[in-house]
Amino acid sequence: GAVVSQHPSWVICKSGTSVKIECRSLDFQATTMFWYRQFPKQSLMLMATSNEGSKATYEQGVEKDKFLINHASLTLSTLTVTSAHPEDSSFYICSASGDRGGSGANVLTFGAGSRLTVL
Amino acid sequence: GQNIDQPTEMTATEGAIVQINCTYQTSGFNGLFWYQQHAGEAPTFLSYNVLDGLEEKGRFSSFLSRSKGYSYLLLKELQMKDSASYLCAGRWTGGSYIPTFGRGTSLIVHP
Repeated sequence: GAVVSQHPSWVICKSGTSVKIECRSLDFQATTMFWYRQFPKQSLMLMATSNEGSKATYEQGVEKDKFLINHASLTLSTLTVTSAHPEDSSFYICSASGDRGGSGANVLTFGAGSRLTVL
Repeated sequence: GQNIDQPTEMTATEGAIVQINCTYQTSGFNGLFWYQQHAGEAPTFLSYNVLDGLEEKGRFSSFLSRSKGYSYLLLKELQMKDSASYLCAGRWTGGSYIPTFGRGTSLIVHP
């Protein structure tokens, strides 16, 4: 089945620094990937849609200059949290769409997530 | 949003059956997913319903009623490892078919 690899799993950084998170589709090509953010006991909130070879589409309220997304190839998307602050501490999860069994459902396969703590 | 609503928390006993409900906006509706998420981990796909009816997959079944804007996830023979958050996610036309997630139902299974 479809596998999405996400790194790093955990990252702790100082306030003001930048952190890059990588998301790779291992056995399929993903022209579109999605970046979500999740606070404790809350739902997944879509941050942006990453499109291979073009600019990402950001959801309302998400600062594109703060959360830089690059989708340079069909198997890799990166999210860079720039000038991170404590309020950016969260669980960031990437996902890619891959069909399952021909159902046409475009089921999302998620990476393992990256827990960011900004001190 | 698309008004996805599900209970925040449920508890059940090991070996029992539990039903987790999800309601959603029917206008433009195009399909509903259920995902399981253990604490600190990424969600894993459980089921996808686009037509009315019940789909069974081992101990887990998912039901959809398009006219009522209602779905449920049925978990049978509960095991301790089923303690997790269960996320209902819907897709609507006009939303680029990107799923919108509910807040999740935290299921606690106790002995």
